[in-house]
Amino acid sequence: GESVGLHLPTLSVQEGDNSIINCAYSNSASDYFIWYKQESGKGPQFIIDIRSNMDKRQGQRVTVLLNKTVKHLSLQIAATQPGDSAVYFCAEIHSGTYKYIFGTGTRLKVLA
Amino acid sequence: DTAVSQTPKYLVTQMGNDKSIKCEQNLGHDTMYWYKQDSKKFLKIMFSYNNKELIINETVPNRFSPKSPDKAHLNLHINSLELGDSAVYFCASSTATYEQYFGPGTRLTVT
Repeated sequence: GESVGLHLPTLSVQEGDNSIINCAYSNSASDYFIWYKQESGKGPQFIIDIRSNMDKRQGQRVTVLLNKTVKHLSLQIAATQPGDSAVYFCAEIHSGTYKYIFGTGTRLKVLA
Repeated sequence: DTAVSQTPKYLVTQMGNDKSIKCEQNLGHDTMYWYKQDSKKFLKIMFSYNNKELIINETVPNRFSPKSPDKAHLNLHINSLELGDSAVYFCASSTATYEQYFGPGTRLTVT
């Protein structure tokens, strides 16, 4: 079936360090991308999005980078905190289709 | 106020039974979704409704039937439950600009 991203890897970072989570997407026609955070026992929560006419977008402590040439998306979290521990998903969508395609996710562990 | 709510949160049932999961959103969104998340955390879209009309129907056994009585509700009925149906099911809704909001999930366990 269709998929975005790789197998569920784990990224361990020290508290206070920056985290970078990567994602490869599948459809070159996708024009909208979202990063979600899923904490244990909860539903995915919207973090930040980016449209294909942009290369970079910044939020509070988070930055998303989009490289359309290689179909790659990354999420950077500055000064990672224990509360950032979760599974992070990227998702792609082609506007008008309403079909979100999710990556397999990355588990982020923040070490004290 | 809960934006997207689902009931029940946990559902344990035996093979062969029929069960329903309910979803409601109070965000005023036109589009609602059902997703299945397996034990490896992979999220896959099952169905999507826009203004009560089915717009996405992925390769899902026809034992699964969504129903949208109005724009704020999207229910999922599952007939003849099988062991492989065990998963977490998420309801979601989205804005016209595709910002998507998820419910808390329903953990279905089929024994």
